[in-house]
Amino acid sequence: AQSVTQPDIHITVSEGASLELRCNYSYGATPYLFWYVQSPGQGLQLLLKYFSGDTLVQGIKGFEAEFKRSQSSFNLRKPSVHWSDAAEYFCAVQVPNAGGTSYGKLTFGQGTILTVHP
Amino acid sequence: EADIYQTPRYLVIGTGKKITLECSQTMGHDKMYWYQQDPGMELHLIHYSYGVNSTEKGDLSSESTVSRIRTEHFPLTLESARPSHTSQYLCASSVGPYTEAFFGQGTRLTVV
Repeated sequence: AQSVTQPDIHITVSEGASLELRCNYSYGATPYLFWYVQSPGQGLQLLLKYFSGDTLVQGIKGFEAEFKRSQSSFNLRKPSVHWSDAAEYFCAVQVPNAGGTSYGKLTFGQGTILTVHP
Repeated sequence: EADIYQTPRYLVIGTGKKITLECSQTMGHDKMYWYQQDPGMELHLIHYSYGVNSTEKGDLSSESTVSRIRTEHFPLTLESARPSHTSQYLCASSVGPYTEAFFGQGTRLTVV
């Protein structure tokens, strides 16, 4: 079964500093990859996704992520963090079932809580 | 902005009560999902639906049940709530495979 690992449970950065959140997945082929953000008491909002093509994908709010097949990674980055970026970030994968189609099920990592210091 | 709504947002209820968590979406999505999220933990899929009259259990065993009588509505029911059911429940929908899921704001359930 596929799995997603986010090694950092909690990260603290200063406002204006750069950010990288790590995500590794375990799956035999390339899954579809997503990053979601969850603010306290809220649902999940999609930041970006990777299905195929260019391995560097741009998302909303100035985030980007790079897919590295050799490392089975999909790390999220932002060059300059804003205080409003404080939230919990989830990496997720979607894999096709044995029939080659996907019913859209997402497997999530444990999440990384981002704290931003002024 | 996604149009998927969950009610109630917060619910505190006594042990043994029957509860229904509501989820509705106005996007016409065929696929809908329920995820359970404990504090500090990842989300786990507990139910999903391909469309009307289709429901399946997810990866995480759950005592809850779901129904899908209308495309836009996917309620989750607990016949007899227990403290172990205390969690956050997130509903989501997607238009099909290979697309992102849109999430509701969640229902935080506390069973006392």
